[in-house]
Amino acid sequence: EDKVVQSPLSLVVHEGDTVTLNCSYEVTNFRSLLWYKQEKKAPTFLFMLTSSGIEKKSGRLSSILDKKELFSILNITATQTGDSAVYLCAVVFRTGNQFYFGTGTSLTVIP
Amino acid sequence: KAGVTQTPRYLIKTRGQQVTLSCSPISGHRSVSWYQQTPGQGLQFLFEYFSETQRNKGNFPGRFSGRQFSNSRSEMNVSTLELGDSALYLCASGLGNRYNEQFFGPGTRLTVL
Repeated sequence: EDKVVQSPLSLVVHEGDTVTLNCSYEVTNFRSLLWYKQEKKAPTFLFMLTSSGIEKKSGRLSSILDKKELFSILNITATQTGDSAVYLCAVVFRTGNQFYFGTGTSLTVIP
Repeated sequence: KAGVTQTPRYLIKTRGQQVTLSCSPISGHRSVSWYQQTPGQGLQFLFEYFSETQRNKGNFPGRFSGRQFSNSRSEMNVSTLELGDSALYLCASGLGNRYNEQFFGPGTRLTVL
């Protein structure tokens, strides 16, 4: 059975801290992995990763994929209160265009 | 470019009724996917439509159905509503190429009483 597991389930940090969110997967026909940020509305796209070892970076956020060990991490440095959200990872299968989501990591950044 | 729009934004129904939700994708996007989001189960894939054809389907009962029109707008229908159908229903649009990300709409919050 296909699985996408995110850890931790929730996290509380202080502003300025660095956090690492994890997403591991066991899926057949893996194509790519995506990260989304969800505040009290629709998920917004962060990164798409298809190749191992290549870091994607956007400001204070970065992400990398390890296709051998079947996981991805999302790093956020110098966290701000605006980073508080649920972070979702999703795996796209090689066949079809189905996105398979993990249950998310809830991040709370306190001042 | 306008984003993905969903109507209605909020809906209250009673058990046994049926409901139809609508999603208008970003202009030029031909793929529309539907998801159910609940606190316990997270985001679960319902189905994907591409060029008016259902291309992928998740593990939901037959009470959940959908369709897509020639202008790529999509509707999702749930018949014989159950309390457990209360959820946020999100649609996402994309180019339909599996190398492309999906863009989500604001969702429809369905409450079944």
